[in-house]
Amino acid sequence: NAGVTQTPKFQVLKTGQSMTLQCAQDMNHEYMSWYRQDPGMGLRLIHYSVGAGITDQGEVPNGYNVSRSTTEDFPLRLLSAAPSQTSVYFCASSVQGGSYGYTFGSGTRLTVV
Amino acid sequence: SQQGEEDPQALSIQEGENATMNCSYKTSINNLQWYRQNSGRGLVHLILIRSNEREKHSGRLRVTLDTSKKSSSLLITASRAADTASYFCATEGDSGYSTLTFGKGTMLLVSP
Repeated sequence: NAGVTQTPKFQVLKTGQSMTLQCAQDMNHEYMSWYRQDPGMGLRLIHYSVGAGITDQGEVPNGYNVSRSTTEDFPLRLLSAAPSQTSVYFCASSVQGGSYGYTFGSGTRLTVV
Repeated sequence: SQQGEEDPQALSIQEGENATMNCSYKTSINNLQWYRQNSGRGLVHLILIRSNEREKHSGRLRVTLDTSKKSSSLLITASRAADTASYFCATEGDSGYSTLTFGKGTMLLVSP
């Protein structure tokens, strides 16, 4: 199994550009979520999904959109990139209830100039 | 807002020594999890302890949970240089859907 796959690994955007960060998992996990990691801030939840067609906001959702049309994929869209969105983004998945821990992708390092 | 707070923020020890990291949290939880992150990499799940458990072991890892004090500790015994990483505690709340709230982490440096 590949686990959780994130693409791209690195990306540089100009302010105002839009882009989609891809996340795919092959473990048939119901739960998927997006976090951003900033220095000294730990990980903060952006959006999450408990199944196909169901999404909800986390702690820092502004400027981001998500959709979950399939169990496997959970893309994160930046609508109009801002320098404040420079961060490392992690996608994670788990079985329902998270009782076995989350599986994380390797991250996307995004720089907005 | 951050749920967990790790202590210390940084820890430097010699190989063979034990490393203890602490985590405090604020609200009721379903479980508490510890993750490791090597520099520039994703997080790796280490161990999960449920709210009705007090202690759990996995290899060289020992986790304790005190729900009355809203705190947990992670002990790594006989540390190795390969244990050098950042360690995060994360809590899963006991209401609603399953999401994790992370602390800011402890950076552990194990010197040969």
